[in-house]
Amino acid sequence: RKEVEQDPGPFNVPEGATVAFNCTYSNSASQSFFWYRQDCRKEPKLLMSVYSSGNEDGRFTAQLNRASQYISLLIRDSKLSDSATYLCVVTRRGGNTPLVFGKGTRLSVIA
Amino acid sequence: EAGVTQFPSHSVIEKGQTVTLRCDPISGHDNLYWYRRVMGKEIKFLLHFVKESKQDESGMPNNRFLAERTGGTYSTLKVQPAELEDSGVYFCASSPGTSVGEQYFGPGTRLTVT
Repeated sequence: RKEVEQDPGPFNVPEGATVAFNCTYSNSASQSFFWYRQDCRKEPKLLMSVYSSGNEDGRFTAQLNRASQYISLLIRDSKLSDSATYLCVVTRRGGNTPLVFGKGTRLSVIA
Repeated sequence: EAGVTQFPSHSVIEKGQTVTLRCDPISGHDNLYWYRRVMGKEIKFLLHFVKESKQDESGMPNNRFLAERTGGTYSTLKVQPAELEDSGVYFCASSPGTSVGEQYFGPGTRLTVT
């Protein structure tokens, strides 16, 4: 079983739609949680950290459920520029520590 | 501020040859990581440096891979001899000493072993 599991997609949605991505992780000792974004043939970039209390950054909302070992990302009012692969990422330890990646979920926003 | 840079951007070599990848982290970042993405798989951790010391090399696949970080600045990752399964995109990332989670990635080196 993969340590971080994501639905690979692709998710094809029209502009303005709301789309939700889910992710599960298997290591209950995982410490930190993130969503990274990766554009085609580019490097991953941090989109947002994820906290148990939930956090929002503009059109993006992330949620963590430690009991279920489940992470979500909601994108409202999708833009063409949101088209990318969204990577669910955890760390096994606190502090400066390697990232553990899911395979990513591909999103295509269509005009 | 300059980001993480990697060289070369692409490399095509034959099986059995040697290749050396270079990473220049963001200036002042103590932490330097190497990751690799093999086609169809997730990005996987290879190695973590703190300054010039190897903090964690649990992800290195075998002894054909050698990483160094001279003087705690740039890092090199040498593959010798290269095998077909070494093909993939090699990413380098760096983070400052106080960072929790955010790592800044370079554009990657796409390695093809034929």
